[in-house]
Amino acid sequence: GNSVTQMEGPVTLSEEAFLTINCTYTATGYPSLFWYVQYPGEGLQLLLKATKADDKGSNKGFEATYRKETTSFHLEKGSVQVSDSAVYFCAPLIQGAQKLVFGQGTRLTINP
Amino acid sequence: DAGVIQSPRHEVTEMGQEVTLRCKPISGHNSLFWYRQTMMRGLELLIYFNNNVPIDDSGMPEDRFSAKMPNASFSTLKIQPSEPRDSAVYFCASRLGPNTGELFFGEGSRLTVL
Repeated sequence: GNSVTQMEGPVTLSEEAFLTINCTYTATGYPSLFWYVQYPGEGLQLLLKATKADDKGSNKGFEATYRKETTSFHLEKGSVQVSDSAVYFCAPLIQGAQKLVFGQGTRLTINP
Repeated sequence: DAGVIQSPRHEVTEMGQEVTLRCKPISGHNSLFWYRQTMMRGLELLIYFNNNVPIDDSGMPEDRFSAKMPNASFSTLKIQPSEPRDSAVYFCASRLGPNTGELFFGEGSRLTVL
């Protein structure tokens, strides 16, 4: 079936540290891949996306590369800020079913 | 531009009462989703609509839950009767069309059932 596995949280880092949040998926075909972010007290919002193999999505200093061979879409940022504290969700778009399958979310806390 | 608008933002009710959550999607968006978020179960898709028609309601927990979309600008999620285990944040989201993964979420309705 279709599923997504994210790095378990919570993740706590110091400001300016390097961030990686792992995400792997299982799906039929080649889904588009998304990272969403949820700031405290808010709904989810799209952070970045990639629609085909080897595409790199980027936004707000975050990046993720669509790796078909490893079915992964790991989120990275070179230097995190306190304002990046949030919950991050990886989600493939299941073609045909037309719906996103969200991972369990990874809570990130950045300390000053 | 107005985003997805949900009401109420907070609701506290007693077990057995009927709860109605409301959602106004972004104008022009053809798909609407209802999600439930809890610490234990994470983010769960309850139901989604395309062009006001329910497409997949396999995530609706039981008959106590029902959702309607009478027109393109309004949807409701109803719980009757409510139970304490229904306590959660309920999110509505909309998107432009069925083949895009970019969802726009509302701020959520936090439900507490005592």
